[in-house]
Amino acid sequence: SQTIHQWPATLVQPVGSPLSLECTVEGTSNPNLYWYRQAAGRGLQLLFYSVGIGQISSEVPQNLSASRPQDRQFILSSKKLLLSDSGFYLCAWRSEGFGTEAFFGQGTRLTVV
Amino acid sequence: AQRVTQPEKLLSVFKGAPVELKCNYSYSGSPELFWYVQYSRQRLQLLLRHISRESIKGFTADLNKGETSFHLKKPFAQEEDSAMYYCALRSNQAGTALIFGKGTTLSVSS
Repeated sequence: SQTIHQWPATLVQPVGSPLSLECTVEGTSNPNLYWYRQAAGRGLQLLFYSVGIGQISSEVPQNLSASRPQDRQFILSSKKLLLSDSGFYLCAWRSEGFGTEAFFGQGTRLTVV
Repeated sequence: AQRVTQPEKLLSVFKGAPVELKCNYSYSGSPELFWYVQYSRQRLQLLLRHISRESIKGFTADLNKGETSFHLKKPFAQEEDSAMYYCALRSNQAGTALIFGKGTTLSVSS
């Protein structure tokens, strides 16, 4: 069966520090991968998505970047965190195809102090 | 551009009352539409998708292309339905993203 792992679950980082959140998927190949930020009143904001290794699409200009070094690994990064980067980050995957379901990780609560 | 609008942030109903969570979308082609639900302390998960035309936990949603809507309905709400509900849209073209609305919190009280 397919599983998605996202870590860490919580993270407190000082302003100006780097960030690396990792997401891995098991049990499937060539998944579509997504990073979302979930915020009260703003819903689920799509940050990045990837349809293959090295292929990253950015939806929102920001202080963050994403990379997909392996087929089932998706990394969210920042060189210097801002206070406004605080939030709840969700990774998700789905198979390509009409009407396929997206599966979500447990999320990472990031607090920038 | 693709857009999903959920006009209500919060919907409060009594147990046994009908529920309708509104979702309107903006997309010029043939969309794929979904409802996702997040119960307290659980992961976001799929509730239903328009292509299945199914009823899940008593919920149904009909795609109305004329009104560009995909409202979620349930005739009799239960307390365990209390959760955050997200409407989502994806283009039927390969390699496109899944985008979500801002979500509606459903609160069912006895």
